[in-house]
Amino acid sequence: GENVEQHPSTLSVQEGDSAVIKCTYSDSASNYFPWYKQELGKRPQLIIDIRSNVGEKKDQRIAVTLNKTAKHFSLHITETQPEDSAVYFCAASREGFKTIFGAGTRLFVKA
Amino acid sequence: GAGVSQSPSNKVTEKGKDVELRCDPISGHTALYWYRQSLGQGLEFLIYFQGNSAPDKSGLPSDRFSAERTGGSVSTLTIQRTQQEDSAVYLCASRTGRGRYEQYFGPGTRLTVT
Repeated sequence: GENVEQHPSTLSVQEGDSAVIKCTYSDSASNYFPWYKQELGKRPQLIIDIRSNVGEKKDQRIAVTLNKTAKHFSLHITETQPEDSAVYFCAASREGFKTIFGAGTRLFVKA
Repeated sequence: GAGVSQSPSNKVTEKGKDVELRCDPISGHTALYWYRQSLGQGLEFLIYFQGNSAPDKSGLPSDRFSAERTGGSVSTLTIQRTQQEDSAVYLCASRTGRGRYEQYFGPGTRLTVT
């Protein structure tokens, strides 16, 4: 069945450093790849997404890259701040239908 | 405008009892999802509704789980004969069906089976 693997499960960085989270997906028909941020006790919220017709998308300090051939996509956060501390989930779907999430990455940004 | 709402926010039930969890999506959103999130874990897909199409039930873990969506709006997730392993946060999400794929999540229902 469909599967999304996410690494690392925990990531600790110093404030101002960059953070990279990587995901791989198994369903080659997937064409939509969102990233959600979930703060403690809160609901997940979309921070950035990418569709399979582009290889990279950037929004201020956040960027996502996609390698369709390798079925990899990654989240890059630059100039990390303490408020970036949260759990980040990647996901994959075809046309926004059934969505499979990765297991999550707990990011700690140390001040 | 109003976001996705879920009720109850917390539910404690005894093993073997049935429970119903409710989701009110954002008005006009045609797609609705249910997920389960166990403590410290990721989001496990349960079921997906899109308009009047047959739902994708492929994520339901057993026949004790069922869901319906009435009138294309409110959805109810029912768990029969609850087990302790059903304890989790159940999240609902909705999205517009018009080519935008962002899902908007509700606050979740925390289910505890004792």
